[in-house]
Amino acid sequence: DIVMTQSPDSLAVSLGERATINCKSSQSVLYSSNNKNYLAWYQQKPGQPPKLLIYWASTRESGVPDRFSGSGSGTDFTLTISSLQAEDVAVYYCQQYYSTLSYTFGQGTKLEIK
Amino acid sequence: EVQLVESGGGLVQPGRSLRLSCTASGFTFGDYAMSWVRQAPGKGLEWVGFIRSKAYGGTTEYAASVQGRFTISRDDSKSIAYLQMDSLKTEDTAVYYCARVKQGTQGAFDIWGQGTMVTVSS
Repeated sequence: DIVMTQSPDSLAVSLGERATINCKSSQSVLYSSNNKNYLAWYQQKPGQPPKLLIYWASTRESGVPDRFSGSGSGTDFTLTISSLQAEDVAVYYCQQYYSTLSYTFGQGTKLEIK
Repeated sequence: EVQLVESGGGLVQPGRSLRLSCTASGFTFGDYAMSWVRQAPGKGLEWVGFIRSKAYGGTTEYAASVQGRFTISRDDSKSIAYLQMDSLKTEDTAVYYCARVKQGTQGAFDIWGQGTMVTVSS
């Protein structure tokens, strides 16, 4: 299985400041034939199901505010929130969908307000 | 409105079986692969398995932790996906979500249900 490791486990950022969450995969999730990274980011607020934010590592899902952006390729990826809002408090997960035999999630990063 | 609603959760003894349902509405269910994801209390997300659309053979894949015990199926005429869980263990206790696979992505989940709780305990 591809192991996804996020850092940090938790993060406190002031309102209006930038938040950065990292995700590293144990093997590349870049598919050479189409040059796409099979990597998604989700946001989960307490008591709610996850919400898709980003897919193909950097494509924002429809309706997601543009302060959310994804970057990276191969094995190293980043989710950036450019200006933290109060409603962004949540747990964030990365997920690889490169291996159709076993999709895997990172352990999650808890984002709080400082 | 595009929606997924899970049902069938509850308290079950170890070794017993349970079947979860995921009822879809607001989209052409048969065109989409569907997946199940679970979350143990206070823990992270764990992918359970998925079923491809009939156009891609309707085949299934499972996580190693449930392989041979869980079975995913679908009834496109009713817009329902099922998760049959046999030989349940205490470590299967979790909220079980069904999720739609975003078309063209192979495995990003764009629509999620609210989840149904499964508790395995004697």
